[in-house]
Amino acid sequence: GAGVSQTPSNKVTEKGKYVELRCDPISGHTALYWYRQSLGQGPEFLIYFQGTGAADDSGLPNDRFFAVRPEGSVSTLKIQRTERGDSAVYLCASSLTGLAGGGTDTQYFGPGTRLTVL
Amino acid sequence: GQSLEQPSEVTAVEGAIVQINCTYQTSGFYGLSWYQQHDGGAPTFLSYNALDGLEETGRFSSFLSRSDSYGYLLLQELQMKDSASYFCAVRGFNKFYFGSGTKLNVKP
Repeated sequence: GAGVSQTPSNKVTEKGKYVELRCDPISGHTALYWYRQSLGQGPEFLIYFQGTGAADDSGLPNDRFFAVRPEGSVSTLKIQRTERGDSAVYLCASSLTGLAGGGTDTQYFGPGTRLTVL
Repeated sequence: GQSLEQPSEVTAVEGAIVQINCTYQTSGFYGLSWYQQHDGGAPTFLSYNALDGLEETGRFSSFLSRSDSYGYLLLQELQMKDSASYFCAVRGFNKFYFGSGTKLNVKP
């Protein structure tokens, strides 16, 4: 079946502009995660959705970052007034049931969106 | 806060065995995961340990000692295709914390 997809694969923007990054999770997966990965580093947690709600958004670096998942499927990460420091690969992952009850299940990652802010 | 330590780079020869260690400090711990990432690719899940002990999946094994805040990934019968970065990740209450990764170079 289809895996996690992310669009666009690459995005180049100018400092101060607004960008939207889209994630299509695996069908039927209730949990969705956004991460940011800089070169030579591990993925950095941004936000975790369980269904339509953000179960944990403590990783969003500041109020320029916002994410939504209105129907419990597709998610959009929105970045306002982009800065050069926002340049990174933004990864999305989905899992079947998420982290409820202290358990865990396998996260499946998408290929990422490489964001470059000039 | 959270911190994870793993070696930045390891080199081994094809057919050998390599162990990648991970130590962590965390305020909340549910388990330790391992992911593989090839250059330019997405991370892929390898294993998860919630309890102490060894979990084996084919050529890969993962170990956890909660009392020592320590785990490792063991790769046996190394193949060239195993050249990649390997990340340990702590499962916290509602998130995962990833280490900076260990780049494994497999040489013929």
